[in-house]
Amino acid sequence: DSGVTQTPKHLITATGQRVTLRCSPRSGDLSVYWYQQSLDQGLQFLIQYYNGEERAKGNILERFSAQQFPDLHSELNLSSLELGDSALYFCASSGRGGNSPLHFGNGTRLTVT
Amino acid sequence: AQRVTQPEKLLSVFKGAPVELKCNYSYSGSPELFWYVQYSRQRLQLLLRHISRESIKGFTADLNKGETSFHLKKPFAQEEDSAMYYCALHITNAGNNRKLIWGLGTSLAVNP
Repeated sequence: DSGVTQTPKHLITATGQRVTLRCSPRSGDLSVYWYQQSLDQGLQFLIQYYNGEERAKGNILERFSAQQFPDLHSELNLSSLELGDSALYFCASSGRGGNSPLHFGNGTRLTVT
Repeated sequence: AQRVTQPEKLLSVFKGAPVELKCNYSYSGSPELFWYVQYSRQRLQLLLRHISRESIKGFTADLNKGETSFHLKKPFAQEEDSAMYYCALHITNAGNNRKLIWGLGTSLAVNP
């Protein structure tokens, strides 16, 4: 158990819809990262937050947005969903040190039909 | 430019054979390198970090700054080692922001 909790585990929705994925980081970790993993694209970094502030942005579409709340949990919002958005979405958290590893959640499997 | 290269998308070996998963990096500063493993589309887990110089599940990885490599090795592969392996470079920049550079991953298949 990594200590990172993601909900829901599975999500099936239709094109054009909007969903919210939730992540609770490990206790004490201030950094949260979101990744998308699809069969053809591999692991893609989306966005990082540190203590409520956006720190880095990767290949995140404009239809996607995220935030980190004061209690440090984070949400990833995906809107106007397309078939190609079907993927595993992972959240990870890390501690402060530069050599702190990432601890990943079990992911949310999103299927857009 | 900062980059992590895992040249092999797929590596297939027989049980008991030695295995080496290659990772090369490009970074002008002092690198912090990690190997993560993902079994059957489960969550990624930390396998090794170079700073620890440890052996986990029989795997070792040595940082070679001259060759800018951090290859993952195991002398005798087991079927349960079949998984996706990612090499990652952690960079902390001047603003104390962390940036992670990921390789594309190598899928290891250990055949009986």
